[in-house]
Amino acid sequence: TQLLEQSPQFLSIQEGENLTVYCNSSSVFSSLQWYRQEPGEGPVLLVTVVTGGEVKKLKRLTFQFGDARKDSSLHITAAQPGDTGLYLCAGGASGGSNYKLTFGKGTLLTVNP
Amino acid sequence: NAGVTQTPKFRILKIGQSMTLQCAQDMNHNYMYWYRQDPGMGLKLIYYSVGAGITDKGEVPNGYNVSRSTTEDFPLRLELAAPSQTSVYFCASSYSPTTEAFFGQGTRLTVV
Repeated sequence: TQLLEQSPQFLSIQEGENLTVYCNSSSVFSSLQWYRQEPGEGPVLLVTVVTGGEVKKLKRLTFQFGDARKDSSLHITAAQPGDTGLYLCAGGASGGSNYKLTFGKGTLLTVNP
Repeated sequence: NAGVTQTPKFRILKIGQSMTLQCAQDMNHNYMYWYRQDPGMGLKLIYYSVGAGITDKGEVPNGYNVSRSTTEDFPLRLELAAPSQTSVYFCASSYSPTTEAFFGQGTRLTVV
């Protein structure tokens, strides 16, 4: 069973602060995705990383895939109240018996004005 | 473009009742998934399918059944509902397990 551990589980910060969320596994993934979910809605994709060591930027969000493709991080610079939500990492594997998308437990981020 | 459509959006069941959660996608995706999400938590995989006629268990399959007779539809059946099945259920589809998953709006189920 592929497990994705996210940390921290909860994070409450003030507007303007920086933060990093981590997603770790003992398994190798073909790709790793980050989703954001708002209350009452389904998760929506933010980014997909597929290459070990890859870094992607989405405005104030920076995503990194570990060299061994077992871990990833999401860094938010100068957080804003609009960043509030549940951030989920998900690992996908193709081939073998693991061809499914597995989610971590999520990080619930609250950015206070 | 409807994407992934789930019905119903809300449902209250009595213990022991049965129901089917419907999920349909119009993107011709082979992969479809059913997840449940408990309050403040992430998504747990119930069942998934890699194509019509092929289904497999996820992390928490007990108490549920699925079928995939067409590419478009992936219904989730609850037999003998229990309070532990109170949750929000999300259906999702994707082209492959490594590409973007598109989610439905969710079904909020309460078992009393």
